Amino acid sequence: AQKVTQAQTEISVVEKEDVTLDCVYETRDTTYYLFWYKQPPSGELVFLIRRNSFDEQNEISGRYSWNFQKSTSSFNFTITASQVVDSAVYFCALSEAQEYGNKLVFGAGTILRVKS
Amino acid sequence: NAGVTQTPKFRILKIGQSMTLQCTQDMNHNYMYWYRQDPGMGLKLIYYSVGAGITDKGEVPNGYNVSRSTTEDFPLRLELAAPSQTSVYFCATQNRGYEQYFGPGTRLTVT
Repeated sequence: AQKVTQAQTEISVVEKEDVTLDCVYETRDTTYYLFWYKQPPSGELVFLIRRNSFDEQNEISGRYSWNFQKSTSSFNFTITASQVVDSAVYFCALSEAQEYGNKLVFGAGTILRVKS
Repeated sequence: NAGVTQTPKFRILKIGQSMTLQCTQDMNHNYMYWYRQDPGMGLKLIYYSVGAGITDKGEVPNGYNVSRSTTEDFPLRLELAAPSQTSVYFCATQNRGYEQYFGPGTRLTVT
């Protein structure tokens, strides 16, 4: 069965600090997809990134970077020089390759509070 | 493009009442999903659809029903509402790149 664990319930940082959000997953499939979503206080879910299981390259997008390590089943998310606007709940999610549909399994989320 | 729209935004139901949560998309995506988010939790899949006329259960389908008569619409029906169905409901579509895009959510309270 699939499972996603975000062990950090809540993180507080001061603006301009770097912060890493941890995500550990479990799956029996060799082909799967990993995602990060952001949920700001307004409540909508914003897609951030998708990573395929066969692509372990790290990715950087502006102040955001993602570290995918299959050996440790982790897909961690780092925000560099955090800003108040980064305050949100961040969800890591996993889906296995299926013939029909793509069922996402979400972690419980990490609340990030960035203080000015 | 409006993307994914959901109505209503808020609703209060009494125990035993029924209602339909509406979800409409204009992205021509075949795959659509309904999730619920309980306080302090991640999202859980209720039902999903891979195209018009085809639906299937997710992780927590009990107490809900869906239909998919068109590509655009994927309504979620609650029959005999219970307090345990108090939650925020999100509808999502999926593109060919496996990325899911979510609507703004419907906050439902059952008292």
